[in-house]
Amino acid sequence: NAGVTQTPKFQVLKTGQSMTLQCAQDMNHEYMSWYRQDPGMGLRLIHYSVGAGITDQGEVPNGYNVSRSTTEDFPLRLLSAAPSQTSVYFCASSPHITGGDGYTFGSGTRLTVV
Amino acid sequence: SQQGEEDPQALSIQEGENATMNCSYKTSINNLQWYRQNSGRGLVHLILIRSNEREKHSGRLRVTLDTSKKSSSLLITASRAADTASYFCATRGFGNEKLTFGTGTRLTIIP
Repeated sequence: NAGVTQTPKFQVLKTGQSMTLQCAQDMNHEYMSWYRQDPGMGLRLIHYSVGAGITDQGEVPNGYNVSRSTTEDFPLRLLSAAPSQTSVYFCASSPHITGGDGYTFGSGTRLTVV
Repeated sequence: SQQGEEDPQALSIQEGENATMNCSYKTSINNLQWYRQNSGRGLVHLILIRSNEREKHSGRLRVTLDTSKKSSSLLITASRAADTASYFCATRGFGNEKLTFGTGTRLTIIP
């Protein structure tokens, strides 16, 4: 099935633990991004990538790392989880880095840090 | 900071009525997009309007864009129970790959 696949769907972490949220797309999209969604705050951009080997910071990058070794995969790493990182995380992709294309979103990862 | 602000934050209407949501933004844009999010799900792209366009239609959706007022509206005609969802506007700037989202409008269709 074409689309954006995120794993896991749910995760509970203890403060200080690290983990990687996985994101994969099979549409050969150039652009991939990670957002977090918190109540009343909409979606905020964490990191994004315009192609393999190229990443950049978004609005709220602190505490997160990304890499883009292939076109298909864009994992998000939490280095040392904090309760403030409790959120729903969405990965999204689009065909081109500029211009008029809508994003395709994954179904999200709901993360709780205790 | 959010580029887009949706208004109202919440809207409840009877099935069959039309629903209108508004979005205001702060800086010049390349395009503006609307997304729908059903509870507990990811966002789904609905429609995109470019900065040189004033109106666009897709099925029961009508989007307008007024760049002089930095605002857009989404009209859903003949609403259905399945339209119950949150709706987000998102803007993309010139030479800027990033898509910036507003805080959303929660639409409830009453059967």
